[in-house]
Amino acid sequence: RKEVEQDPGPFNVPEGATVAFNCTYSNSASQSFFWYRQDCRKEPKLLMSVYSSGNEDGRFTAQLNRASQYISLLIRDSKLSDSATYLCVVNRNTGGFKTIFGAGTRLFVKA
Amino acid sequence: GAVVSQHPSRVICKSGTSVKIECRSLDFQATTMFWYRQFPKQSLMLMATSNEGSKATYEQGVEKDKFLINHASLTLSTLTVTSAHPEDSSFYICSARDWGGGETQYFGPGTRLLVL
Repeated sequence: RKEVEQDPGPFNVPEGATVAFNCTYSNSASQSFFWYRQDCRKEPKLLMSVYSSGNEDGRFTAQLNRASQYISLLIRDSKLSDSATYLCVVNRNTGGFKTIFGAGTRLFVKA
Repeated sequence: GAVVSQHPSRVICKSGTSVKIECRSLDFQATTMFWYRQFPKQSLMLMATSNEGSKATYEQGVEKDKFLINHASLTLSTLTVTSAHPEDSSFYICSARDWGGGETQYFGPGTRLLVL
């Protein structure tokens, strides 16, 4: 089992749709959580950090449930430009700092 | 946000040659940089953690003699792929933590290596 698991995707949605991505992590020592976005043949770029209290940035809402070891990302009113791969990323500091990437979920938003 | 550069962005080389990739943090000091590799349709896999002034820490299965890492200064780390083979063809990405800004990692634009 992978340490960080995501929905396999791909998600194909029309413009304006709401789409939700899920992510689970297995190491309870994980301490910080992020969603990154990666466009084709480009480097990952930070989308947002994820907190237990939940956080929102425009059309994007991220949530962390530490008890369930579950992270979510909600995208409202999808745009064509949201098409990308979304990476769930977890940091832990057991035996040294380490960042673990999920395999990513591909999103295609269609007109 | 913090900026990380990588050079070259793309390299094509013959099998058996060595390739050096540079990673620089442009507007902050990075005591630790990370080197990742990404094969098509796969996620990023950490290869090694580069520590300024000390030896790099390699992940299991990554040959330290093949992937030489040097962290010469607080703003520069280099990865040298020695005696490259076609199976080393991949997307190599570095990242650096901005210690002043928490645990966020900032990624370089990546280097696409093709070994013929």
